[in-house]
Amino acid sequence: QTVVTQEPSFSVSPGGTVTLTCGLSSGSVSTSSYPGWYRQTPGQAPRTLIYKTNTRSSGVPDRFSGSILGNKAALTITGAQADDECDYYCILYMGSGIWMFGGGTKLTVL
Amino acid sequence: EVQLVESGGGLVQPGGSLRLSCAASGFTFSSYWMAWVRQAPGKGLQWVANIKHDGNEIYYVDSVKGRYTISRDNAKNSQYLQMSSLRAEDTAVYYCVTGHYGDLHWGQGTLVTVSS
Repeated sequence: QTVVTQEPSFSVSPGGTVTLTCGLSSGSVSTSSYPGWYRQTPGQAPRTLIYKTNTRSSGVPDRFSGSILGNKAALTITGAQADDECDYYCILYMGSGIWMFGGGTKLTVL
Repeated sequence: EVQLVESGGGLVQPGGSLRLSCAASGFTFSSYWMAWVRQAPGKGLQWVANIKHDGNEIYYVDSVKGRYTISRDNAKNSQYLQMSSLRAEDTAVYYCVTGHYGDLHWGQGTLVTVSS
């Protein structure tokens, strides 16, 4: 069964830029996968950052951007801040009404 | 403002049943897909089930097929998740979710604990 892959962890320096990726164990991610990105702090519900590859959800600052890089979806955070330290999840549309989340990336800002 | 409020979680024994509800407001409920997403303690997000705006299309993740039933009542702006034959691995926070093309709005979640 195809799974959605993400880096388990990543670190970035304050003020730096980081790119997280979202791929498929078999095949390539395209805009037809409608990639989305979410962030979640401990004990809180997730919040949507990006949907349909590169559209920012309401109220999301332009430090967050989405794209397709090679055969993966990507989330780029520029000017990383301390409160960007949290978990990031991607989602892909697998077809036939099925959506699937990646395993999540724990981002550390230090 | 979109609001989604889950209820019905709690402690249930293995093999038992539970029904979750989600009360929605702030948008035209009858025009939107609805879904349930769960998160086991310390784990990632898992898409569980979704239902089309008119209830005519329904999808489930394989691990809950035959045990869970998603439904909705557009007159009451509510969706439901009937869960039966519950297992320890169903223990999770269950989130009510809606949106278009992945632009998701989330409830605060309700905790379901399956344990004897």
